[in-house]
Amino acid sequence: GQSLEQPSEVTAVEGAIVQINCTYQTSGFYGLSWYQQHDGGAPTFLSYNALDGLEETGRFSSFLSRSDSYGYLLLQELQMKDSASYFCAAMDSNYQLIWGAGTKLIIKP
Amino acid sequence: NAGVTQTPKFRVLKTGQSMTLLCAQDMNHEYMYWYRQDPGMGLRLIHYSVGEGTTAKGEVPDGYNVSRLKKQNFLLGLESAAPSQTSVYFCASSTGGSSYNEQFFGPGTRLTVL
Repeated sequence: GQSLEQPSEVTAVEGAIVQINCTYQTSGFYGLSWYQQHDGGAPTFLSYNALDGLEETGRFSSFLSRSDSYGYLLLQELQMKDSASYFCAAMDSNYQLIWGAGTKLIIKP
Repeated sequence: NAGVTQTPKFRVLKTGQSMTLLCAQDMNHEYMYWYRQDPGMGLRLIHYSVGEGTTAKGEVPDGYNVSRLKKQNFLLGLESAAPSQTSVYFCASSTGGSSYNEQFFGPGTRLTVL
């Protein structure tokens, strides 16, 4: 079957760096996306990796290793507004997104 | 440019009732999707469409039907609602058909079936 595994919850301190890991198993794989969702809100796109390596977008970076079926989202200089759930989602051979269950990021002052 | 909009935002149904959720997008996207999200879970794909007049089943299609008569609209129907369909429903759209497939989401419809 198809599945993505990510930690259910991560806690970090304001100003620190946090990494959210994701491992995937899908039938066909085009790339790994990351979405952010605040409580009561809709998911919003953060990043996408199709090739191995690191993609940087401001305070957020995302990494992919296709050989290890693994990726991570790195958030730097954490701010209280980064408190949200973060989802990894893998694009399968039908161009459909298969979603992980999400990681709730708790930021303490 | 409103992006993706959903109607209604909230709804309470009794078991056995029917309803239609409407999704509209003004970005001229080819692909549209209906997801459901249950507490503490990721999104699960119900149905999707790769263009006007086309629909396809996703991961959890049972109990739902869809139609895409116009490119900008994607309707999700529940013919006979069940308590198990209590969920938050999100519509999304994308340009689709490529490995880069950012999806744009509507604000969601919170449905409770009693």
